[in-house]
Amino acid sequence: GQQLNQSPQSMFIQEGEDVSMNCTSSSIFNTWLWYKQDPGEGPVLLIALYKAGELTSNGRLTAQFGITRKDSFLNISASIPSDVGIYFCAGLSMNRDDKIIFGKGTRLHILP
Amino acid sequence: DTGVSQDPRHKITKRGQNVTFRCDPISEHNRLYWYRQTLGQGPEFLTYFQNEAQLEKSRLLSDRFSAERPKGSFSTLEIQRTEQGDSAMYLCASSVQGVYGYTFGSGTRLTVV
Repeated sequence: GQQLNQSPQSMFIQEGEDVSMNCTSSSIFNTWLWYKQDPGEGPVLLIALYKAGELTSNGRLTAQFGITRKDSFLNISASIPSDVGIYFCAGLSMNRDDKIIFGKGTRLHILP
Repeated sequence: DTGVSQDPRHKITKRGQNVTFRCDPISEHNRLYWYRQTLGQGPEFLTYFQNEAQLEKSRLLSDRFSAERPKGSFSTLEIQRTEQGDSAMYLCASSVQGVYGYTFGSGTRLTVV
């Protein structure tokens, strides 16, 4: 089935550093979504992207919908302790308009 | 409306028992989704409803699993004869048709012992 490949799997950074993570697919997607999940909670939507090339910001977060429609990236600027968590990309393919699929996540750790 | 609500938050059950989870979506959302998440993985799609109609079921949803949304509002997910491999976080999400940024609940964590 369809898969989303997220990288890196985990990151250890210093507080204040910028973070970049990405997501790729072998098939074309119509929609890219980025979620954050804290321990014991459900994922929370951070950014939604609907058009190829679209660049969208939400505070310190910026995400882009790749031109090829097969990738997306998420950047976090000036990381703070509450950014710790698991970041998931999710997408909706051109062939399926009814459910989104998720990547395996990037786990972000922030060193004091 | 306080968002998507799931009950219970945690469930520990013995292998072979039946369990039922409930999800109350955001009231104006006509679509409701069930996902399962195991440790270290992203959420995996199980099934979804548009109003009261169940429109798709994943192959992950064996015949021991059944989901309902009788009046197009809340939904239940039942697992019969639970197995240890059913241990996971079961997530419910809702949305308006055509909007794909689903809102997720906090999940029900199932542990089968």
